[in-house]
Amino acid sequence: EAGVAQSPRYKIIEKRQSVAFWCNPISGHATLYWYQQILGQGPKLLIQFQNNGVVDDSQLPKDRFSAERLKGVDSTLKIQPAKLEDSAVYLCASSFARVASEAFFGQGTRLTVV
Amino acid sequence: GIQVEQSPPDLILQEGANSTLRCNFSDSVNNLQWFHQNPWGQLINLFYIPSGTKQNGRLSATTVATERYSLLYISSSQTTDSGVYFCAVDRIMIYNQGGKLIFGQGTELSVKP
Repeated sequence: EAGVAQSPRYKIIEKRQSVAFWCNPISGHATLYWYQQILGQGPKLLIQFQNNGVVDDSQLPKDRFSAERLKGVDSTLKIQPAKLEDSAVYLCASSFARVASEAFFGQGTRLTVV
Repeated sequence: GIQVEQSPPDLILQEGANSTLRCNFSDSVNNLQWFHQNPWGQLINLFYIPSGTKQNGRLSATTVATERYSLLYISSSQTTDSGVYFCAVDRIMIYNQGGKLIFGQGTELSVKP
């Protein structure tokens, strides 16, 4: 069974530029998550989708971050414009159901903003 | 919101030693997972264990949900066990929100040859 796929693996951009990350969840998984992990910390949830609807985006900085999950399958996360403090690893995860269901993570995208 | 505390924050072992990592959480949960983050940053699933005990090779985990803690045991540690171990929990909040994993700060394990 294929795991969660993410791309790109690494990205270096200048501040004020824009960047987009892509995620393809495990087939059949209805719930998709985007997490941000700053060096030395645990991952923090940015946004959670159930099929193509947003369940929780309370921690998403909506002035610069946006995410979509068209057709309830793959998802993109965008940052525009990027700031230095956005340097982090962006992790995508999926689970079969929203409640009491094991989550699986992709390899992540390491973003460096210079 | 729910608080997740992991201890110890850092641990250095000699190869072959055993260790116990602890995860305390502040409220009832319906999901608890242990992950190993490898040096390349990927989170590897170790256990899905909201309650009870599970074993997988040299690793085992126990969650005592009523007392709000979980333990991860590593026996006969190897250098490949090095990395950061995370505990993550979720609970259903009121108004049907939640169902999201909240992570602890992790335990960084270093196994020396």
